[in-house]
Amino acid sequence: DAKTTQPTSMDCAEGRAANLPCNHSTISGNEYVYWYRQIHSQGPQYIIHGLKNNETNEMASLIITEDRKSSTLILPHATLRDTAVYYCIVQGISNDYKLSFGAGTTVTVRA
Amino acid sequence: EPEVTQTPSHQVTQMGQEVILRCVPISNHLYFYWYRQILGQKVEFLVSFYNNEISEKSEIFDDQFSVERPDGSNFTLKIRSTKLEDSAMYFCASSSRYTIYFGEGSWLTVV
Repeated sequence: DAKTTQPTSMDCAEGRAANLPCNHSTISGNEYVYWYRQIHSQGPQYIIHGLKNNETNEMASLIITEDRKSSTLILPHATLRDTAVYYCIVQGISNDYKLSFGAGTTVTVRA
Repeated sequence: EPEVTQTPSHQVTQMGQEVILRCVPISNHLYFYWYRQILGQKVEFLVSFYNNEISEKSEIFDDQFSVERPDGSNFTLKIRSTKLEDSAMYFCASSSRYTIYFGEGSWLTVV
């Protein structure tokens, strides 16, 4: 019952912006788009979330298309420490805010 | 910054033994969760807990698993009779409403 589609992997050059795409064509009106990342075997780390407007915080920017069927996470200046698995998750507010993780995108930042 | 803390970070146990994994969620959070990740696999939801009772559980969370919030600050996961296939990283998480924060995990090895 995957709700999102992400590329399996991508490389990014250190210092450049990393743009991570996510498709969520079946998203419903009350579902948010969340991004988490997992560095090595550490606990998933919250990055950002949004409903329909673009969002920015100290870690990243989230761009959601007008029809909400896809989004892009932007890491503005990738560093080697950003190498991780990035998860795009669609979550409604009706089920205790539980998250369902897919396989994510393995992002490798190269010097 | 407040964080979810978990103990132990690593535990080795013999098959058939009982294990208790402990977690201190972020204070004033109301929702609590356990997830697990078998090596090389996805992060899987086990159980969510709200208002002192289980609100949702997955198929993985069978009768050998139980959760408890014994003293208003700790949140525990008990595995009654461990099996080899219970070897995994177990993540505790908590949420106030919209954002779930994860601990660094407890690595359980069943031998």
